[in-house]
Amino acid sequence: SQQGEEDPQALSIQEGENATMNCSYKTSINNLQWYRQNSGRGLVHLILIRSNEREKHSGRLRVTLDTSKKSSSLLITASRAADTASYFCATDPTYSGAGSYQLTFGKGTKLSVIP
Amino acid sequence: NAGVTQTPKFQVLKTGQSMTLQCAQDMNHEYMSWYRQDPGMGLRLIHYSVGAGITDQGEVPNGYNVSRSTTEDFPLRLLSAAPSQTSVYFCASMGRPRSPSKTQYFGPGTRLLVL
Repeated sequence: SQQGEEDPQALSIQEGENATMNCSYKTSINNLQWYRQNSGRGLVHLILIRSNEREKHSGRLRVTLDTSKKSSSLLITASRAADTASYFCATDPTYSGAGSYQLTFGKGTKLSVIP
Repeated sequence: NAGVTQTPKFQVLKTGQSMTLQCAQDMNHEYMSWYRQDPGMGLRLIHYSVGAGITDQGEVPNGYNVSRSTTEDFPLRLLSAAPSQTSVYFCASMGRPRSPSKTQYFGPGTRLLVL
């Protein structure tokens, strides 16, 4: 079953605006990751935030994590047309233990940035 | 490095046919996995392997077989294709299974249509 659920399912913004996507999950996690998928391509890792971190930055990306609410958000600032893609959160649940290697992916948010 | 490669890029099968989707990585990664991606369903784990000779089932293993005879290769076999297996298949690899990051590297995908 899906662990992460992204919201909204689709988002359309003008170039230069900020884009915010949210992810909710159900169980305790070791870390949460965000991936990007351009149309017809494989997923590319963007950023990872550990369960003991609250905020992390990478270039124009800002990720927050609220473990009490079991939610995360991905903010893309000053969006560009090239940011058009689907964005997925992936969780590494704590119940999987040290011997497990599985990430559980959400269904994704489809972002369209209009030039 | 080529990273994770998949062949073929696109395949059409008739119901009942069998085929093998190829996946190879040149990063000496221990962990490899297969996902399928369907509209509105996100990515679902089919099978994974934590090293040569070791495989295990994921969320949706029925109708698929895997083997891992070398570190580099992780083929996915469809035994008797069904229309429900129409999907996009992604192979992914990860460096050290006990790495705290569990960042996965994805191949470009194989688009499969079963008639």
